[in-house]
Amino acid sequence: GESVGLHLPTLSVQEGDNSIINCAYSNSASDYFIWYKQESGKGPQFIIDIRSNMDKRQGQRVTVLLNKTVKHLSLQIAATQPGDSAVYFCAETSNQGGKLIFGQGTELSVKP
Amino acid sequence: DTAVSQTPKYLVTQMGNDKSIKCEQNLGHDTMYWYKQDSKKFLKIMFSYNNKELIINETVPNRFSPKSPDKAHLNLHINSLELGDSAVYFCASSPEREGYNEQFFGPGTRLTVL
Repeated sequence: GESVGLHLPTLSVQEGDNSIINCAYSNSASDYFIWYKQESGKGPQFIIDIRSNMDKRQGQRVTVLLNKTVKHLSLQIAATQPGDSAVYFCAETSNQGGKLIFGQGTELSVKP
Repeated sequence: DTAVSQTPKYLVTQMGNDKSIKCEQNLGHDTMYWYKQDSKKFLKIMFSYNNKELIINETVPNRFSPKSPDKAHLNLHINSLELGDSAVYFCASSPEREGYNEQFFGPGTRLTVL
């Protein structure tokens, strides 16, 4: 059915600033986490992943932090660019199940 | 080359009609999925197939019937369309059904039921 509740969270940043997008995941048994980027009119696109045996992973301009104690995930984007404007989703799964559960999503808007 | 493709990209139809959405992946993956994204961007899995076998069916009305003629294709047929079926439907694929592997998404099909 439809999701209920609040509108999509939004984050507005100035071009060149760093962005931090947060996500609370639901299942303490989840051991694999992925961040996806969805641009307008397109499907979600993989950005970076992290396994539960790590608490930090870095990619090109992106860093994912995992805090299993409080079930919290964050995505940091360095030197945010207009092309980073999109909706960002965290997703969780376990090595046993394969089912990917998506978080609510955060809309990032980059002002030039 | 497109990795995961869907047709059509847009589908506008009347309530009560039956329609199909097609999905193909050329990645050689074993597992394919259908997701529904509502107007608030909430993305939820509907079905998953592994090598033509149904492995996930998430309490979706039986008006929705996935069909996988081979492991590169997963089509979604919807009978007796309702207003609440309006959404964007995404197909995805992954190398395996379990384990640490990402899912690759298609461009989506925007279904509008009038």
